[in-house]
Amino acid sequence: SQTIHQWPATLVQPVGSPLSLECTVEGTSNPNLYWYRQAAGRGLQLLFYSIGIDQISSEVPQNLSASRPQDRQFILSSKKLLLSDSGFYLCAWSVYRDKVKEQYFGPGTRLTVT
Amino acid sequence: AQKVTQAQTEISVVEKEDVTLDCVYETRDTTYYLFWYKQPPSGELVFLIRRNSFDEQNEISGRYSWNFQKSTSSFNFTITASQVVDSAVYFCALSVHSSASKIIFGSGTRLSIRP
Repeated sequence: SQTIHQWPATLVQPVGSPLSLECTVEGTSNPNLYWYRQAAGRGLQLLFYSIGIDQISSEVPQNLSASRPQDRQFILSSKKLLLSDSGFYLCAWSVYRDKVKEQYFGPGTRLTVT
Repeated sequence: AQKVTQAQTEISVVEKEDVTLDCVYETRDTTYYLFWYKQPPSGELVFLIRRNSFDEQNEISGRYSWNFQKSTSSFNFTITASQVVDSAVYFCALSVHSSASKIIFGSGTRLSIRP
């Protein structure tokens, strides 16, 4: 069966510091991968998605970037965090073949920028 | 463009009551998929159901049921005999047919079940 891991679970970082959040998927190959952000009490905002290694699409202009150095690894980064980067970050995966369209989510990382 | 509207921001009911969460979607695509996710207080989104645009059959899974009506572009979710463990934020979502499988989420409905 497939599993998705995210770490760290929680993170408190000062404004201006760098960020690296990691997501890995097990039990599947060539998944589509996604990064979402959820502000407190709000809906989900798609930040990035990837359909393959080094293939990253950005949905909104922002202070963040994403990379996919390996098939089942997706990294969310920032060089300098802003207060507005605080939120709950969720990684998700899906598989296009076999007409499976739903996305499966990781446990999330709660980021507080101080 | 695609859009999902969940007009109910918050709902609170007493345990054992039935409750329906509304979802209205917009898309010009003829092939699309609809989803419901549950987000309990722990934060992780849990996939509940997927429906494709060619299958309008309603579905029942235990206390959960879904009513898909293309004529009104709605995909409503009913919980029968609600329980405290059903308390969560519920998201309706839409995906159109593409290799990226991007999903557009509604803003969510916070459901509170009072004992």
